[in-house]
Amino acid sequence: DVKVTQSSRYLVKRTGEKVFLECVQDMDHENMFWYRQDPGLGLRLIYFSYDVKMKEKGDIPEGYSVSREKKERFSLILESASTNQTSMYLCASSSRRGQETQYFGPGTRLLVL
Amino acid sequence: TQLLEQSPQFLSIQEGENLTVYCNSSSVFSSLQWYRQEPGEGPVLLVTVVTGGEVKKLKRLTFQFGDARKDSSLHITAAQPGDTGLYLCAGPHSGTYKYIFGTGTRLKVLA
Repeated sequence: DVKVTQSSRYLVKRTGEKVFLECVQDMDHENMFWYRQDPGLGLRLIYFSYDVKMKEKGDIPEGYSVSREKKERFSLILESASTNQTSMYLCASSSRRGQETQYFGPGTRLLVL
Repeated sequence: TQLLEQSPQFLSIQEGENLTVYCNSSSVFSSLQWYRQEPGEGPVLLVTVVTGGEVKKLKRLTFQFGDARKDSSLHITAAQPGDTGLYLCAGPHSGTYKYIFGTGTRLKVLA
């Protein structure tokens, strides 16, 4: 059974704090993604990675960075959290082979005060 | 630019009714996925359709991929309150590793 896990389901941080969101997948997938989901705006891609140590900016990368040191782990970093980064953060992974389906984690709901 | 448009945006129906949700594009997709997302959770994959004209069934849910692979539909028979959620269609963006997502259909089934 495929599995994508995220380090926290709920997180409360203060403005200016550095925030780490971690995602782990056990499917040996090459591709990993970070999205944020906001009401009325749908899913927006922040960053993705198609291989270890490789990363590409998505549609809204400002204020975020990522790290992929191991194939199974993809971290999203908020260098200095701001209130407009309050959102639901979703991690996903997919294989370059097969039907290219994305598998999602349960999400992290982040509140920045 | 590849886009996926879903309709309707919102749907509120009584338990036992049938419904159809649509996912349309002017572009061809190599595959389309359907997800259901419940409040506070991540999207859960329901099905992937790959072949034009393909029909897949998942209990009371029937998924169809258009012959030209530009559209898809999800039909729910005898809806139940447990079907409540946000239904998203998605497809791989050609030539990249990215995915295109529809804006979603928010379904509420009343008991």
